[in-house]
Amino acid sequence: ETGVTQTPRHLVMGMTNKKSLKCEQHLGHNAMYWYKQSAKKPLELMFVYNFKEQTENNSVPSRFSPECPNSSHLFLHLHTLQPEDSALYLCASSQDLSLHDNSPLHFGNGTRLTVT
Amino acid sequence: DQQVKQNSPSLSVQEGRISILNCDYTNSMFDYFLWYKKYPAEGPTFLISISSIKDKNEDGRFTVFLNKSAKHLSLHIVPSQPGDSAVYFCAATASYSGAGSYQLTFGKGTKLSVIP
Repeated sequence: ETGVTQTPRHLVMGMTNKKSLKCEQHLGHNAMYWYKQSAKKPLELMFVYNFKEQTENNSVPSRFSPECPNSSHLFLHLHTLQPEDSALYLCASSQDLSLHDNSPLHFGNGTRLTVT
Repeated sequence: DQQVKQNSPSLSVQEGRISILNCDYTNSMFDYFLWYKKYPAEGPTFLISISSIKDKNEDGRFTVFLNKSAKHLSLHIVPSQPGDSAVYFCAATASYSGAGSYQLTFGKGTKLSVIP
């Protein structure tokens, strides 16, 4: 399998549930990202990891907890979410943080999350 | 306040004609711009980019123009094909601004429909 794979594709959870989103990249990249796309809003960067180290937390509430055990895997642990957290969560990877032509973002297909 | 704006939520074009997608930005620190294309149920894919040292970049049927004085860029698709029907996102970054320079700021997207 190639590219960036996200599971599950769809997730419905209650506000008291704990769930995790998983992302795996098979591109040999060193940087991984979580983005959020809410309805009628632009993509928003949530977290950035470079060589497994978190380099960015874009003021994301603590009910979202990322984990990056290695350069190929990224998790987003979810706990006590709110209905307004319902969105498409996209994982991405890049060769490095430069984001130029030789290191564009490669996105997964996303997890559509609904919080009830 | 949105720093990257795509003011047309949707655009319809006849097959074979030119599609022009527009993007405006407000942050004068932005020096690198990208276009991503997104099909339904898939993640965005990198299409083309341009550095602020250029005013045009061409790749096959896709050309991006940058007008720095107007803080405006556009994506031209010629000739348009039905397979080009997708949502197109404009993104920008201040690539040499130091910490956080890898952060992409996205527009809300323009949905292009190419009519056969």
